[in-house]
Amino acid sequence: GQQLNQSPQSMFIQEGEDVSMNCTSSSIFNTWLWYKQDPGEGPVLLIALYKAGELTSNGRLTAQFGITRKDSFLNISASIPSDVGIYFCAGQKGANFGNEKLTFGTGTRLTIIP
Amino acid sequence: DAGITQSPRHKVTETGTPVTLRCHQTENHRYMYWYRQDPGHGLRLIHYSYGVKDTDKGEVSDGYSVSRSKTEDFLLTLESATSSQTSVYFCAIAGTGVAEAFFGQGTRLTVV
Repeated sequence: GQQLNQSPQSMFIQEGEDVSMNCTSSSIFNTWLWYKQDPGEGPVLLIALYKAGELTSNGRLTAQFGITRKDSFLNISASIPSDVGIYFCAGQKGANFGNEKLTFGTGTRLTIIP
Repeated sequence: DAGITQSPRHKVTETGTPVTLRCHQTENHRYMYWYRQDPGHGLRLIHYSYGVKDTDKGEVSDGYSVSRSKTEDFLLTLESATSSQTSVYFCAIAGTGVAEAFFGQGTRLTVV
């Protein structure tokens, strides 16, 4: 099945640095979601985007729905130790929420170097 | 946290045995999903349900069956477990009219 291309696959940063990651697809999506997963836990929803061009913030996190509908971006400002984890993007093509499958990216693993 | 409980959290089973994983929700959400997570593959949809007794296949449904006899419970059965089904299994729920899915804590299944 189709997967979203997520990059980078991993990031090693220092505390306080800003982080950028993105998710791209060859086809159009009508909804983009960003999740974070801590070790041994399920993914937790961070941000949901419903409109092309939309920019949404959640604390230090900002996500954007690409204008072409084929990509999305997540930025984290001033990283802190609890930001460590795996970040997943997910997209939904249709508007029939619930019945439409979410397609997931393979994740970006964020590590903070002491 | 969304009211989702998966059981068991960990299980080791032998090849060829049937296994059932349970997902229980207290949110009264219509949609429920089973995913598996494997390194390099992200999350892949196994089966989903859009109501009591209404289910459909996802992209990796072979070797799995599901049942939903009550709104709050969604069961995933491995009919005859194989080593390739060693994975972490996540249940997710979603309400009507929204795309956001909320995940349980996962079940780590090892087939030996």
